[in-house]
Amino acid sequence: EDKVVQSPLSLVVHEGDTVTLNCSYEVTNFRSLLWYKQEKKAPTFLFMLTSSGIEKKSGRLSSILDKKELFSILNITATQTGDSAVYLCAENSGGGGSNYKLTFGKGTLLTVNP
Amino acid sequence: KAGVTQTPRYLIKTRGQQVTLSCSPISGHRSVSWYQQTPGQGLQFLFEYFSETQRNKGNFPGRFSGRQFSNSRSEMNVSTLELGDSALYLCASRQASGANVLTFGAGSRLTVL
Repeated sequence: EDKVVQSPLSLVVHEGDTVTLNCSYEVTNFRSLLWYKQEKKAPTFLFMLTSSGIEKKSGRLSSILDKKELFSILNITATQTGDSAVYLCAENSGGGGSNYKLTFGKGTLLTVNP
Repeated sequence: KAGVTQTPRYLIKTRGQQVTLSCSPISGHRSVSWYQQTPGQGLQFLFEYFSETQRNKGNFPGRFSGRQFSNSRSEMNVSTLELGDSALYLCASRQASGANVLTFGAGSRLTVL
């Protein structure tokens, strides 16, 4: 069974700090790695990383994928209180097209204090 | 463009009952997946439907079932409810082509008493 492990499980920082969230995965049929942000109910998509796209950036958020060492990190610079959420890492090993399955980590709860 | 819509948003059932949850995907999305989220286990894959066929299934007992209709709307059913079935049930849809990114609905919060 594929396994995704995130660390730390929770993190408390002050506004303006930079944080790094970690995700390691074990996979037999890797397709992509995804990051989601979950504030209240619906997880919202942040990034997808594949063998052809191992680094992504959007504003203050960025992510990299190390396929050799089987891990990914999500960086958030100049954190704001609105960044407080659970950040979920997920690995897709189900393939594309009509076969798709995400294995999620337990998530990292980020709290940004003013 | 409307997002993924799940109904009902909240429901309370008692042990032994059954429940049906509904999901309307984003227009044009042909694939619908279901996930269970609990504090202890996190998000766990239940099953995926594409073109009215179950394409993939997670490690859940047979009490969990689902189906997809010709308009891509999906329902999942849980029979003989147990206390441990209390969870947030999330539905997600995707186009099944291109970037293959799941878009999630807000979920149905099920409490089993």
